[in-house]
Formats: sequence, structure tokens, C-alpha cells
Amino acid sequence: DTAVSQTPKYLVTQMGNDKSIKCEQNLGHDTMYWYKQDSKKFLKIMFSYNNKELIINETVPNRFSPKSPDKAHLNLHINSLELGDSAVYFCASSPSQRGSINNEQFFGPGTRLTVL
Amino acid sequence: GQSLEQPSEVTAVEGAIVQINCTYQTSGFYGLSWYQQHDGGAPTFLSYNALDGLEETGRFSSFLSRSDSYGYLLLQELQMKDSASYFCAVSQGGKLIFGQGTELSVKP
Repeated sequence: DTAVSQTPKYLVTQMGNDKSIKCEQNLGHDTMYWYKQDSKKFLKIMFSYNNKELIINETVPNRFSPKSPDKAHLNLHINSLELGDSAVYFCASSPSQRGSINNEQFFGPGTRLTVL
Repeated sequence: GQSLEQPSEVTAVEGAIVQINCTYQTSGFYGLSWYQQHDGGAPTFLSYNALDGLEETGRFSSFLSRSDSYGYLLLQELQMKDSASYFCAVSQGGKLIFGQGTELSVKP
């Protein structure tokens, strides 16, 4: 019954490595998002896709590359990981770009990335 | 630019009422949302105000005044399980801009 799922839940890796985080939603939503939450709990949007097309790309280093193979999946690939990339990454979805009637976004459980 | 201000932390006792305020400055505004996040958990939606006034959902209510660029979340009959971080967020052009979060501690 999981609505928005992410794998892995925890990711520990060395600086300079490349890693991917996967996200899937079974809600039938058109829009998916990646957010980054830092150690001070500040939650900031990184990317948004609507029906497989990139619609929001905040000021994110180009080492971060999202990919949406279909509207139920949004993956995040990170190249050349740096210490500052350590954070919790949340995937989210909503029925459309304008959210749902009440503008709700549904968040996945998060992936805690630690770069050593 | 855009910014949202909310208190960093609030402490209250079980059974009490607490109000978490949020002021915002944004260009383009479609509504104010509130999310709850327990430690180690995901943000979960609580409420949304697109128009001025009070929205009530059980023990939680949310208020918006667009002319004042201000809103608040009101939590009544506090329970220990309400200890969490609470985020206000502005809807803007298909994305959510979050405040820094308010950590609520509920004491027995």
C-alpha cells in the first residue's frame, strides 16, 4: 500500500563516488519532485517533473541529474559526491503541477545520504 | 526573492493550545500549507489555505490573512504525539517554498 517509496533508505559513500536514488509512486499522479533537507531541517525543492518532463530546476549543481522513465518513477543520480551533499533527500508527488484540490504533496520516506 | 518566517521552537504541555505563526514574503502566491514532520519521518500534509479565514480539521486549525501575508497553525488539546516539526509552505508556480520549521515539544 506504499504510496511513495524510495530506495535506498540509507546511503553511505565516499567523496567522489557516483550514486543513485530511486523513487516510485503508485498514486497515479502526474507530477513528482525531489527535495533536499539539510541538517538544520531546511527543506528545499530541487527538481519537478510533470508527466516525464522537467518543469522545475532550481539552482542545483549539474552533478545532480534527475531522470523520469515514466510518470510513476523519478530517479536522482549524483556524480562526484561532495561532503556538502550529505542530507536527507525526499521524493514527493502530486496529482498535477498545481497540486491536488488542497495543494497536497505526498512525500516518500526519505533517503539519508552520508558522504564521508 | 521569497522568505517565510516562523519561530524555531515552541514548548507546551499536554492538553494545552499552541499557535505557530508564519509570515511570508513572496512574489506570486497561491496558498499557504502546513506540514508535520516527526523525527526521522517524512513531511505529511496537515492543511491548506487558499483564501482568507480559518480552516478546521479536528484538533488542528489553520488561518490565513493574505493582506497581512500571515498565517498560523493552531493545535488544540495537545498530545505527546504532536511533538514534531511543523513547516509552513507557500505555493508558488507549482512548487512549495518551505519555512525553516518550528520544533514543537509537548511536555507531560
